[in-house]
Amino acid sequence: DAGVTQSPTHLIKTRGQQVTLRCSPKSGHDTVSWYQQALGQGPQFIFQYYEEEERQRGNFPDRFSGHQFPNYSSELNVNALLLGDSALYLCASSLVAPNTGELFFGEGSRLTVL
Amino acid sequence: QQQVKQSPQSLIVQKGGIPIINCAYENTAFDYFPWYQQFPGKGPALLIAIRPDVSEKKEGRFTISFNKSAKQFSLHIMDSQPGDSATYFCAAVNSGGGADGLTFGKGTHLIIQP
Repeated sequence: DAGVTQSPTHLIKTRGQQVTLRCSPKSGHDTVSWYQQALGQGPQFIFQYYEEEERQRGNFPDRFSGHQFPNYSSELNVNALLLGDSALYLCASSLVAPNTGELFFGEGSRLTVL
Repeated sequence: QQQVKQSPQSLIVQKGGIPIINCAYENTAFDYFPWYQQFPGKGPALLIAIRPDVSEKKEGRFTISFNKSAKQFSLHIMDSQPGDSATYFCAAVNSGGGADGLTFGKGTHLIIQP
């Protein structure tokens, strides 16, 4: 049973560029959340997707957007990259019901903005 | 505003000792408190979780103690082993909020010396 898979694992971009990160949830899961983890910090909630819609968003600007596909996989898009966007981006999957609060995380995509 | 405060930032313990990591929260709507373990280059993995209707929960060598009135909770690792060396994050969420993301502490870098 495959867990949460993310791609790419590492990428380097320059300021002002755009990036797309991809996530496949754990088999049987229908909900995908994205988190940003800066170096030496805890993950910060970006947003959650269920039924192809954004259900909740954390304190992140509109430059961060996402999408969920009918097969439950998801993308995170970040436009107009800033140096401060350099971080590990984590995808987590779960079941919308029952809402146990348990998340399964992928290994992340390490983004470096130069 | 940091809603979950975690301490200490780093901790070194001899093998067999009992590291203790403490967390405090502010939002009384939080009703689910998980702990995640993260190894270098990996995503966080759920270790153990507790709800505020119990004061203590044990799973193997890991124990959560919960003090609802003080809005504090802590993780104890019994008979610690070098393989327990990792970064530990406490987190909290209002599970009744449906789509709310986890709020993480800043993490504790734990080293268990042989």
